[in-house]
Amino acid sequence: NAGVTQTPKFRVLKTGQSMTLLCAQDMNHEYMYWYRQDPGMGLRLIHYSVGEGTTAKGEVPDGYNVSRLKKQNFLLGLESAAPSQTSVYFCASSYPIAGEVFFGPGTRLTVL
Amino acid sequence: ELKVEQNPLFLSMQEGKNYTIYCNYSTTSDRLYWYRQDPGKSLESLFVLLSNGAVKQEGRLMASLDTKARLSTLHITAAVHDLSATYFCAVERYGGATNKLIFGTGTLLAVQP
Repeated sequence: NAGVTQTPKFRVLKTGQSMTLLCAQDMNHEYMYWYRQDPGMGLRLIHYSVGEGTTAKGEVPDGYNVSRLKKQNFLLGLESAAPSQTSVYFCASSYPIAGEVFFGPGTRLTVL
Repeated sequence: ELKVEQNPLFLSMQEGKNYTIYCNYSTTSDRLYWYRQDPGKSLESLFVLLSNGAVKQEGRLMASLDTKARLSTLHITAAVHDLSATYFCAVERYGGATNKLIFGTGTLLAVQP
C-alpha cells in the first residue's frame, strides 16, 4: 500500500495564479483532510471531507476550495494564489472514529 | 474554542537524560495524539490516547493522558540523538466524529551527544 500520496511535492507560483493539489489514499478511508503548516504555528485544518461528495470548512478555509469526487481522492484548489499561502500542505486520511490519522508526505508551495 | 498549548517550545538535552514535554488543551476532548516530525518530512504517528489515565510506551517514549486536568505528557527516558525531531500533540474536538485535529505548536527537541 502506498498510503497517502500527494502531488506535486514542490511548486512555485506567481501571485494570482491558480493550481490544484492532489491527494490520494489507498486505505479505503472515509475521512480526508487538508492541513497547512507554517513555522511556529503547528498544523491548521483548511478543509475536510467525511465521504465522497462531501466537504466542509476547517479552521482556515479562506482562499481555498476542495472537491471529493472519488472516495480515494481529495483535491485542494487555490484560485488566485497569494504570498500568504506560501506554506507546506499536508493531506491526511482516517477511518471514522478509528483513532489514527495518516499523513501524506507534504507539498511545499511558494507564492511569489 | 479548543486551544492546544505545548511546552517547552524548544528543548535541548544531553544524551542519557530524562525530560517531559507537556500538552495542555482548553476544552473536553475525545482523543489525544502525539506525532513526530523530522525536518522536511511528514508526520509520524507515535501514540493515540483514548481515555483518561491512558498510558502508552514505545522504546524511550511514554505518553500519558489526564482528561480531568486536560493534560498529556510525553516522557523521554535516557535520550539518544536519534530522538531529535519536532514533537506535536494534537487534540480531537469533543463530540466530533471526524478526527479533526487541533495541533499544538510543536516542541523542537535537540539531543546533544
